[in-house]
Amino acid sequence: GAGVSQSPSNKVTEKGKDVELRCDPISGHTALYWYRQSLGQGLEFLIYFQGNSAPDKSGLPSDRFSAERTGGSVSTLTIQRTQQEDSAVYLCASSLIPGANTEAFFGQGTRLTVV
Amino acid sequence: EDQVTQSPEALRLQEGESSSLNCSYTVSGLRGLFWYRQDPGKGPEFLFTLYSAGEEKEKERLKATLTKKESFLHITAPKPEDSATYLCAVASGGANSKLTFGKGITLSVRP
Repeated sequence: GAGVSQSPSNKVTEKGKDVELRCDPISGHTALYWYRQSLGQGLEFLIYFQGNSAPDKSGLPSDRFSAERTGGSVSTLTIQRTQQEDSAVYLCASSLIPGANTEAFFGQGTRLTVV
Repeated sequence: EDQVTQSPEALRLQEGESSSLNCSYTVSGLRGLFWYRQDPGKGPEFLFTLYSAGEEKEKERLKATLTKKESFLHITAPKPEDSATYLCAVASGGANSKLTFGKGITLSVRP
């Protein structure tokens, strides 16, 4: 596609429910990143994919958070038993190759509100 | 641990009033410093990558510079459409390096 696409744009869920957030990266981009942006905070790294594997999961805040990527393309971030502190904007980015020598392009984000 | 500090948190300028945004960083082995622009409700939009001290890049009214400890985003004769949050990020370490972001600087340009 023309850019990174994320769905849904907005999600309101009840505390304790599970949610799935989807990211469609730019076609041909091998690297995919998930970040979280909370009000007044900088972007917080969650997980990085190279192809379908995740060599860096160091930013996942707890075992309630998981992510997968299939076909070297679409990625899903799953949050189980959501808590109010999970409320944030979840951003996905992709880049042509991994590493610092190529820019990452971001989607518009999914705004998650846990009530 | 990589750290990025941006200042000021917010900046209000009159149209045409030039200024600079600061990004100070601490990193073990800088692989790249990135500037992004973020509009409300949107994802960050890539502006520049700088790789080594002394490097400069320009785009329209924006110029980014880099030293060993900080980067500046200079805005010359800003227009209201330059109003946005400007994010600075660094990448370090290996090829899988993630970006560590600052909290951003919210710029408002009054007509």
